[in-house]
Amino acid sequence: LAKTTQPISMDSYEGQEVNITCSHNNIATNDYITWYQQFPSQGPRFIIQGYKTKVTNEVASLFIPADRKSSTLSLPRVSLSDTAVYYCLRGGGYQKVTFGIGTKLQVIP
Amino acid sequence: GAGVSQSPSNKVTEKGKDVELRCDPISGHTALYWYRQRLGQGLEFLIYFQGNSAPDKSGLPSDRFSAERTGESVSTLTIQRTQQEDSAVYLCASSDPAGTNPYEQYFGPGTRLTVT
Repeated sequence: LAKTTQPISMDSYEGQEVNITCSHNNIATNDYITWYQQFPSQGPRFIIQGYKTKVTNEVASLFIPADRKSSTLSLPRVSLSDTAVYYCLRGGGYQKVTFGIGTKLQVIP
Repeated sequence: GAGVSQSPSNKVTEKGKDVELRCDPISGHTALYWYRQRLGQGLEFLIYFQGNSAPDKSGLPSDRFSAERTGESVSTLTIQRTQQEDSAVYLCASSDPAGTNPYEQYFGPGTRLTVT
């Protein structure tokens, strides 16, 4: 199974940058790293995906070091609406993907 | 176009009854996934379809669970002789392997199943 490890929960104040780190020590050569966001009573929503180095989109940045054994999702200047569960996944192809418990981010006013 | 839709949105059933959950993926998405999410838990993979074939059924919890897909479109997840531990939200997702981001899964709103 594609296993990742991430903190169970994090708190942050509004306006701060939030970094959530995920460990994936046994990542395979063809695995990508993908992050999803889930609000209560909704299905997860894709945020960002990368293979190595840095990827940035309008929502977040993803940093993956050279050894690819970890990755960090960076959310700039979070707002209350960013309160959600964030899942880190590793995998490749159109196959079984394992979502862990995720990181519950609570943004505080 | 429309996103992934699922029906019903809520289903309450008595223990021992059979239920059918439906998923309509995004048109053209050949990959389709079913997950189960218990309250406060992460997503549990159930089954994956590529086209109408299910190369990986390893996540189905028991032989009471089955799924099929027809026309590379609609999929149904059937749970026979429901048990209380089947109570959960069942999520469906689809993806386009030929698209610009082939690994991105688009999720439906889920079906909340309650077994009494």
